[in-house]
Amino acid sequence: AQSVTQLDSQVPVFEEAPVELRCNYSSSVSVYLFWYVQYPNQGLQLLLKYLSGSTLVKGINGFEAEFNKSQTSFHLRKPSVHISDTAEYFCAVSGSGDDKIIFGKGTRLHILP
Amino acid sequence: DGGITQSPKYLFRKEGQNVTLSCEQNLNHDAMYWYRQDPGQGLRLIYYSQIVNDFQKGDIAEGYSVSREKKESFPLTVTSAQKNPTAFYLCASSISGGNNQPQHFGDGTRLSIL
Repeated sequence: AQSVTQLDSQVPVFEEAPVELRCNYSSSVSVYLFWYVQYPNQGLQLLLKYLSGSTLVKGINGFEAEFNKSQTSFHLRKPSVHISDTAEYFCAVSGSGDDKIIFGKGTRLHILP
Repeated sequence: DGGITQSPKYLFRKEGQNVTLSCEQNLNHDAMYWYRQDPGQGLRLIYYSQIVNDFQKGDIAEGYSVSREKKESFPLTVTSAQKNPTAFYLCASSISGGNNQPQHFGDGTRLSIL
């Protein structure tokens, strides 16, 4: 079965600085990868997804992620963060033969003024 | 606008009481899911349903029950057998049960014990 690891539980970053949130998954022949964002007391919203094709995936709110098969990673990046990006971010994965998506434990992004 | 509606937003349960959380979607999605979220533990799957009148247990189904009598509705009952029910509960749906389908989430119900 698939598993996913978000290496950082919290990431502080200054406003307008770049950020990278790390995500690693267990190996599989083929995987589908997702990043979601959760604002306080709300549900999750899809930021972006990788199903196949180009390894660089662009999402909403200026976020992008790169699928790296050799390193089994799907790190999320943004070149310049804003205070409104303060939220918790979840990486999720499913593999061939799976009938459900597995979520990581989340990374809380703190934007410092 | 289409979406998922969870109600109530806050719910309180007395000891020994069953409570039911509502989840309704108007997205015409076949698949629906219930997750439990605890601080620092991410989302854990309770039950899921890929089609009307059918559902499967997730990773933490003990103490919970569901029904899927209509495509639009997937209520979750937290029974008295669930000894630690305090959590944030999220309902989600996807177009189909395929593992490449992104899920759409409601805004959650926060359950607390009195």
